[in-house]
Amino acid sequence: GENVEQHPSTLSVQEGDSAVIKCTYSDSASNYFPWYKQELGKGPQLIIDIRSNVGEKKDQRIAVTLNKTAKHFSLHITETQPEDSAVYFCAATGTYKYIFGTGTRLKVLA
Amino acid sequence: DARVTQTPRHKVTEMGQEVTMRCQPILGHNTVFWYRQTMMQGLELLAYFRNRAPLDDSGMPKDRFSAEMPDATLATLKIQPSEPRDSAVYFCASGLPGLNTEAFFGQGTRLTVV
Repeated sequence: GENVEQHPSTLSVQEGDSAVIKCTYSDSASNYFPWYKQELGKGPQLIIDIRSNVGEKKDQRIAVTLNKTAKHFSLHITETQPEDSAVYFCAATGTYKYIFGTGTRLKVLA
Repeated sequence: DARVTQTPRHKVTEMGQEVTMRCQPILGHNTVFWYRQTMMQGLELLAYFRNRAPLDDSGMPKDRFSAEMPDATLATLKIQPSEPRDSAVYFCASGLPGLNTEAFFGQGTRLTVV
């Protein structure tokens, strides 16, 4: 069935360093790939997304890359700050049904 | 301030009791999702509505869960009878018409069944 694998499950980085989270999806029909950030006690919030006709997208310190051939997509956060600490989820969909990854708990150490 | 509103934020109930969770989607959004989040299973889709009609509820245990949209401003998720394994955070999300659009999540209802 449809599946999205996400790695790593936890990630600790020093403030100012970069963080990379990787996801792999199984459904070749997927064409929309959002990334959500979830802070403690809150709902997931979209931080960036990418569609299948684009290979890379950047928004300030956040970037996402997509390799459709390999069915890989990645989130890159540069110059990390303590407020980046949260759980990050990737997702893939070709319809209305988002298939979420299992999440990455990012800790940015001051 | 457009946002998805869920009530209650927290609910503790005894096994066997009925639980109703409510969601007010963002005005103008015609798609509504119910998700359940647990440590073991992550984010699971329970139900999906478009224009108030349930299009997919395959993720819900049919014998005890039900989801409805009485009108465009209210979605409900009901569990009857509740069981300890239903303990989780339940999220409602809404979105604009069309495929592959952003889903806006509410703050969630943390349900504990004892």
